[in-house]
Amino acid sequence: EDQVTQSPEALRLQEGESSSLNCSYTVSGLRGLFWYRQDPGKGPEFLFTLYSAGEEKEKERLKATLTKKESFLHITAPKPEDSATYLCAAHTDKLIFGTGTRLQVFP
Amino acid sequence: EAQVTQNPRYLITVTGKKLTVTCSQNMNHEYMSWYRQDPGLGLRQIYYSMNVEVTDKGDVPEGYKVSRKEKRNFPLILESPSPNQTSLYFCASSPLATDTQYFGPGTRLTVL
Repeated sequence: EDQVTQSPEALRLQEGESSSLNCSYTVSGLRGLFWYRQDPGKGPEFLFTLYSAGEEKEKERLKATLTKKESFLHITAPKPEDSATYLCAAHTDKLIFGTGTRLQVFP
Repeated sequence: EAQVTQNPRYLITVTGKKLTVTCSQNMNHEYMSWYRQDPGLGLRQIYYSMNVEVTDKGDVPEGYKVSRKEKRNFPLILESPSPNQTSLYFCASSPLATDTQYFGPGTRLTVL
């Protein structure tokens, strides 16, 4: 059965304290790995798509990487405004979402 | 502004009272989809549509109906809502099924 697992479930960081979020996937026929950011009460907002192992993409303090079994979202020197839930999703013939990592960055 | 809109944003209703949640996109996307989001379960697909008049079941279609008569609109219909359909619902669209999906702001539904 296709599955996407995110860890940790929740993460508290001090401003400036870099860390990584993990998304491991077991799917057949991966077409792409998506990362979304979701703020409370809002819809997921697209961040990145990764298509092949070894690919990396960056946007401001975020960098996403992909291997054959997992993806990482690295957050460098986070700020309080980076606080949100980060979702990853594996695209096969549909999008299979993980349950997310709730990130809190405090000053 | 390119966007996906949903209405209503919040809805409290009673068991058995038919309701419709509307979804509209202004990006001329062919693919549209409905998801529900529940704590600990993540986003799960209810129904999707590859194009006008083409719809198909997702992972949790029971108790829901959809229609796609126009490219821009994809309403979600609950003909006899039950309390287990209390959830946060999102509509999404993309140019094609394999492209990045863009999500609406969500509809929080409570069924008493």
